[in-house]
Amino acid sequence: AQSVTQLGSHVSVSEGALVLLRCNYSSSVPPYLFWYVQYPNQGLQLLLKYTSAATLVKGINGFEAEFKKSETSFHLTKPSAHMSDAAEYFCAVSVPTGGGNKLTFGTGTQLKVEL
Amino acid sequence: GAGVSQSPSNKVTEKGKDVELRCDPISGHTALYWYRQSLGQGLEFLIYFQGNSAPDKSGLPSDRFSAERTGGSVSTLTIQRTQQEDSAVYLCASSLAVQQTTDTQYFGPGTRLTVL
Repeated sequence: AQSVTQLGSHVSVSEGALVLLRCNYSSSVPPYLFWYVQYPNQGLQLLLKYTSAATLVKGINGFEAEFKKSETSFHLTKPSAHMSDAAEYFCAVSVPTGGGNKLTFGTGTQLKVEL
Repeated sequence: GAGVSQSPSNKVTEKGKDVELRCDPISGHTALYWYRQSLGQGLEFLIYFQGNSAPDKSGLPSDRFSAERTGGSVSTLTIQRTQQEDSAVYLCASSLAVQQTTDTQYFGPGTRLTVL
């Protein structure tokens, strides 16, 4: 079964500091991985996705993630945090099903950005 | 363009009552998914529709849960005889279903269900 693990349920950074949110996957087949962000009382918004075309994936709002097979990781980074980045972030793996792809999510990481 | 919409945004019901949650996917999206987000279980898959068919219902937690989709568009998730453990945010997502494994799912804002 495919799964993802997010280390750190809460991460706090100062504004302008590096953001690093960790995600490790477990999969017997090449995984397809996603990062979603959820702002308070809103649905999930796609930040970026790994489709095997490139190991370094750039997303919206200055975020990027690097797929590292040797480390089974897909960590999310942003060079300089902004107050507006405060939200919950979910890593997910795509599991093919009947012509579609259901997502299996990690437990989420709440990002807090402090002045 | 319009995104995925869900109604109601909030629903408070009494234990034992039935509830219906509605999802309007993005126009033209043939794939539709229901997920549940709760404090205890996190984000979990419930059911997947391709057109009006549901090839994967494996995430429905009990036979009190059912869903249908009509006209390849609107979907309704029904919970019968609600229990307190059904309290959660129910999220709907849709996608174009072009590339099976890498399709982007677009999520609605969710319906917050509270069972008293």
